Order: sequence, then structure tokens, then C-alpha cells
Amino acid sequence: GQQVMQIPQYQHVQEGEDFTTYCNSSTTLSNIQWYKQRPGGHPVFLIQLVKSGEVKKQKRLTFQFGEAKKNSSLHITATQTTDVGTYFCAVNNYGQNFVFGPGTRLSVLP
Amino acid sequence: GAVVSQHPSRVICKSGTSVKIECRSLDFQATTMFWYRQFPKQSLMLMATSNEGSKATYEQGVEKDKFLINHASLTLSTLTVTSAHPEDSSFYICSASSWLAGYEQYFGPGTRLTVT
Repeated sequence: GQQVMQIPQYQHVQEGEDFTTYCNSSTTLSNIQWYKQRPGGHPVFLIQLVKSGEVKKQKRLTFQFGEAKKNSSLHITATQTTDVGTYFCAVNNYGQNFVFGPGTRLSVLP
Repeated sequence: GAVVSQHPSRVICKSGTSVKIECRSLDFQATTMFWYRQFPKQSLMLMATSNEGSKATYEQGVEKDKFLINHASLTLSTLTVTSAHPEDSSFYICSASSWLAGYEQYFGPGTRLTVT
């Protein structure tokens, strides 16, 4: 079955530092989505990537889809305390369902 | 983004009873709804996928007779946990999706089920 890994599992950063989480798949993907879940909250959709090598930006967040469409990254520039939460990638292999990665939990120290 | 509601937000029930959880997409028609289970500090585990008007597709290891899913309309899906046991205690989250909306999943706020 579909294997999805995310690294790191946890990341503690000082406010203002950058942060990157990586999502790796065992198979070639059709598309990938990223979600953020705040502590005590529910996942919120951030972005969807479809094309090989695609890069999308949302303010301080940069999302990238690998050339081989097997991995993706989420980079946050100059983290803020509002960035705290768990970031999940969800991958799709030309099917209906998305498989969620284990998530990367980010804590930001003020 | 679209709004999805879940009811109830919290429920405590006795072992052996059944609990129904409702998931509603409030401002768009969801062709597909998903039901997930999430344990503390862990990822979302897909339980089943339901398309409006058809039977739900359950993931391997999920008992369809225990977790009854009904997707009666494009805005409502229900999950009934039958004969609940303490090990069913968990956080259950639904999401709604539509191919018209690019398959983004809009999640409900979740339901915390505690079985005593």
C-alpha cells in the first residue's frame, strides 16, 4: 500500500527562524495536498500541488513538488507563534482517496 | 473555504450503546465525504469513503457492521458507532470534498467520543 513519510516528526524553533518539513512517498503521485491542524482543532486545507517541480507560495509559506512527483516540501520563512501546529501532507496516487502522512509538529518559542 | 459542521462535538456513552454522528457541508454540495479517526498526537486514519447515494467503501480493518455510514444527500453523511466499547473512544472527524472544488477536503470540527 501507499507509504508516506514526513520528516521531521517534531521541530522546535525560535520565533523568526525558518522551518521546513518534508513529505516522501514510496510511489509516484498524481497530486499532493498540505493541511495544518492547530492544537485542539481540525485540519485546514493549505494547498494542492499537481505538476512536477511545481512551486507555490502563500505569504511566508513555500510549497514545492519534486520533479519525480514522489516528494514535497513545505517551507516557512521567519516563523511566528501563529504557525504552531501539525502540518500534514496528504498524497494521492491517481485514486479517489488521499493518504495522510504522520505529520510534523511545529512549536515556536517566542 | 467551505464550512463543514459535525454534531455532536462531544459525546459520552455507555458500553454497548450506539452513537450517531452527523456531518454536514453547509455551503456546498459534497460528492464525497470521508470519515477519519484520530488518536492523540497521531495522524488521521481513514475509515471509509462515502459517495452520495451509494454504499460506503471501508478501509481494510474497519468493520462495516460496527461503523455504519449513510450518505443520504449531497450535504449530509452520518456515522453510527454500534455497540460501542471503550476501545472505540476516539476523535472522529469527517471531511467533505467535491470534484468541482478540486478535491480539497474541508474538515468538520470533529467529535470526541468517550465510551465508559
